[in-house]
Parts: sequence; structure tokens; C-alpha cells
Amino acid sequence: GAGVSQSPRYKVAKRGQDVALRCDPISGHVSLFWYQQALGQGPEFLTYFQNEAQLDKSGLPSDRFFAERPEGSVSTLKIQRTQQEDSAVYLCASSFRDETQYFGPGTRLTVL
Amino acid sequence: DAKTTQPPSMDCAEGRAANLPCNHSTISGNEYVYWYRQIHSQGPQYIIHGLKNNETNEMASLIITEDRKSSTLILPHATLRDTAVYYCIVRVGELNTGFQKLVFGTGTRLLVSP
Repeated sequence: GAGVSQSPRYKVAKRGQDVALRCDPISGHVSLFWYQQALGQGPEFLTYFQNEAQLDKSGLPSDRFFAERPEGSVSTLKIQRTQQEDSAVYLCASSFRDETQYFGPGTRLTVL
Repeated sequence: DAKTTQPPSMDCAEGRAANLPCNHSTISGNEYVYWYRQIHSQGPQYIIHGLKNNETNEMASLIITEDRKSSTLILPHATLRDTAVYYCIVRVGELNTGFQKLVFGTGTRLLVSP
């Protein structure tokens, strides 16, 4: 079946612009995670949804980062007033409840 | 902080077995060992997981020591396409309430050569 999909795959933004990154989880997966991966590092947790409820956002680096999943399926990670340090790959993962997480291909964000 | 330690890099000849070690000396009784790999420019790919028994699937085998303080991922016949960064992760299993985020370390960069 279809895996986790993310769009766009690549995004270039000028510093100060707002960006929105989309994640389509595997159908029926209750849990959805966002991770941030800097160059040469392992992914780091940003936030977690169970259905439409955002149960943990402890990893969001600043209040410029905002995530939503209004209908418990598709999720959007929004970054306002992007800064150069926001340049990274943003990964989405989904799982059926609290089981194995399956990752999407990621969105590579470059802030100039 | 990651609860696992792995060598930063390893080499393997194509067709030979690749044995990737992982130390997780502080693992708790209800924590699973998960392995993912990440091929360049792709998202992490799930490989295998286990609690205390050895596990095998179509991709790999996972050998967990009896004291559960270390494990080894075995790719029985490595191919060039197995070149990737391999992450060993300890996480709380599905019997617990709530969720458990994955805490990645820096992994082992496996290079499979012809």
C-alpha cells in the first residue's frame, strides 16, 4: 500500500518568508510525528499527534513553528519568518497507535 | 539523549555479512531495540525490532544478548544498495500508555564496496 508522502520534496525560502510543509500519513494511522534533521545528524523529534490532538510539542524549537492536523489525517508543519538555522530536512512519520513508525521521504528546506 | 552507542563507520565487502553492533547498557525491561536505516536523501526505513528474543525478517537478523545490554544487526549478504546510515534506537513498546518518540543518535555509516 501507499506509504507516507510529503510535499514539497524541496523548498527554498528567503529569510523571513513563511513556509508550509505537508504530510500525508499511511491511511488509518492514528499517530503522526514530525522530526527535524540537520545536515550530518540524526532526526530530532519536534511534535506528535494522536488523531487531531497535538499531545506533545516539546521539540518545537520556537514559537515560529506550528503544526496542525485538523481532521486527524493530513498534517501541516508551518514555519513563520524563516531563519537560516531552520534549514534542514523535515521528516514526517506515522504509526498505528504506539507501534512501529514509518517515515516519509522528507522535505528539504533551504533558507537563503 | 540517545540511549545507544554505535561505531561511527564500518566497511563491508559486497556479498559478505555485515554485522553492526550497538550498545544499550541502560535499557529497561520493557524497552524494545529498533533498527532503522537511512539511505542518502531518503527518510529513515524501518528494518527490524526486538525485545529479548532474536528476530529475523526478509531484510535482516537481530541478535540481542541475554543481558540485553547490546545487540547486533546482521545483513547476511550485503549489497551495494545496503550502503546507508544505520540507527539503533531504544524505545518503550506498545504495552505502555502514551507514545514514545524515537531518539536517534548519529548511527553507523555502512559502506558496502564491490
